Amino acid sequence: AQKVTQAQTEISVVEKEDVTLDCVYETRDTTYYLFWYKQPPSGELVFLIRRNSFDEQNEISGRYSWNFQKSTSSFNFTITASQVVDSAVYFCALSEGGDSSYKLIFGSGTRLLVRP
Amino acid sequence: ETGVTQSPTHLIKTRGQQVTLRCSSQSGHNTVSWYQQALGQGPQFIFQYYREEENGRGNFPPRFSGLQFPNYSSELNVNALELDDSALYLCASSPGQSPLTYEQYFGPGTRLTVT
Repeated sequence: AQKVTQAQTEISVVEKEDVTLDCVYETRDTTYYLFWYKQPPSGELVFLIRRNSFDEQNEISGRYSWNFQKSTSSFNFTITASQVVDSAVYFCALSEGGDSSYKLIFGSGTRLLVRP
Repeated sequence: ETGVTQSPTHLIKTRGQQVTLRCSSQSGHNTVSWYQQALGQGPQFIFQYYREEENGRGNFPPRFSGLQFPNYSSELNVNALELDDSALYLCASSPGQSPLTYEQYFGPGTRLTVT
């Protein structure tokens, strides 16, 4: 069965610290897509990144980086030199290629608090 | 700004009542999905509409129903409201279906409280 696990419920760091948010997924499909979304207090989900199962290349975008490892079914997200504006709930999500709706299956989220 | 709007922003209803939530997508977005997000949890897929037809449904009872209109707007209807229906309801629209090509754009959500 498909599932996304974000074991870290809440993380608190001091500004400028690096922080890694963990995501472990389960799927039987060979074609799937992984996502990270940010949800600030306003509630709107903000898309951060999408990876497909055939592309294990890690990605860096400014202070954000993502590590995709199929061998451990993980798709971890690192914020370097965190800032107060990074405070939000972060969701990892999975979409399976065998599902015609490509619905997003979300983890339970990790609340990140960056203190000044 | 994703170009997806939802109304109303907040809503309070009584158990047993019916509610209609609305979503307006960007022009050309023929796919809309609805998600329910209970407090402290990740969003759960309710259903998806593609070109005005239901295309996939999550683990929600039939009292959750929807419509998609030719003008790229959509509705989520919930009958016989229960206390557990209290949640943030999010709609997401996309110009197509494959995540390889298309991104889903989420609206700000409607917070429904059932008392």
